Amino acid sequence: DAGVTQSPTHLIKTRGQHVTLRCSPISGHKSVSWYQQVLGQGPQFIFQYYEKEERGRGNFPDRFSARQFPNYSSELNVNALLLGDSALYLCASSLSRGPQEQFFGPGTRLTVL
Amino acid sequence: AQSVTQPDIHITVSEGASLELRCNYSYGATPYLFWYVQSPGQGLQLLLKYFSGDTLVQGIKGFEAEFKRSQSSFNLRKPSVHWSDAAEYFCAVPTGGGNKLTFGTGTQLKVEL
Repeated sequence: DAGVTQSPTHLIKTRGQHVTLRCSPISGHKSVSWYQQVLGQGPQFIFQYYEKEERGRGNFPDRFSARQFPNYSSELNVNALLLGDSALYLCASSLSRGPQEQFFGPGTRLTVL
Repeated sequence: AQSVTQPDIHITVSEGASLELRCNYSYGATPYLFWYVQSPGQGLQLLLKYFSGDTLVQGIKGFEAEFKRSQSSFNLRKPSVHWSDAAEYFCAVPTGGGNKLTFGTGTQLKVEL
C-alpha cells in the first residue's frame, strides 16, 4: 500500500510570494495533519483536518491556511512568505480524529529567499 | 499542558553497544506516548507506541520502550545498535483533544563504527 505522499519535494520561493503544498493520505485515512519542522527542532503542529473540517489549529498566523478535499487529500497554503517560513513541512494521516498513531509523509522542503 | 522533554540533544554510541534514549512526560492521566525516528532529510517513521496495558512496548527495528509512571518516563532502548540506526529520535504525546502531537526537541544519535 502507498504511504502518505507529498508534493512537491522541494520548493524555492522569494519573500512575499504564496505557496501551496499538497498531501495525499494513506487510503482509508480520513484525518490529515500538517506540521512545520524548522532545522534543528521538533515538528510543530499547524492544522488538523478531519472529514473536510478543521479540527485543530496550532499557534501560526492567519497567513497559514489549509483545506481538505472530498477524497481526503489536503492542501496547505502560506501567503506573504517570510524568511522564517523556511522549513520542512510534514503531512501526517490517521484513520480518525482522536489520539492515535499518525503516519508521516516525506515532507516538502520550502526555502524562502 | 501536556509535554515531553528529551534531556539529551546528542548521543554517540559504538556499533554493537546498547542504547537508551530518555523521554520524560508531563501529564496528569496516563498518556499516549510515541517514539518516532527521522533520517536526514526524511519524514518521521513510527517506532512504537504506548496506549495502555503492558508497560514494556516492542517496536520495529529491534527497539523497545518502557512506560514508568513513577518516573514519568518513556525511555527508548535497543540492546545492540547498528550503524543504520544513526538518525534523530523524537518522543511525542497527543495534546489538545484531537490527534495533534507535541514533540520533544529530539535526540541526535551518532553511531561510531
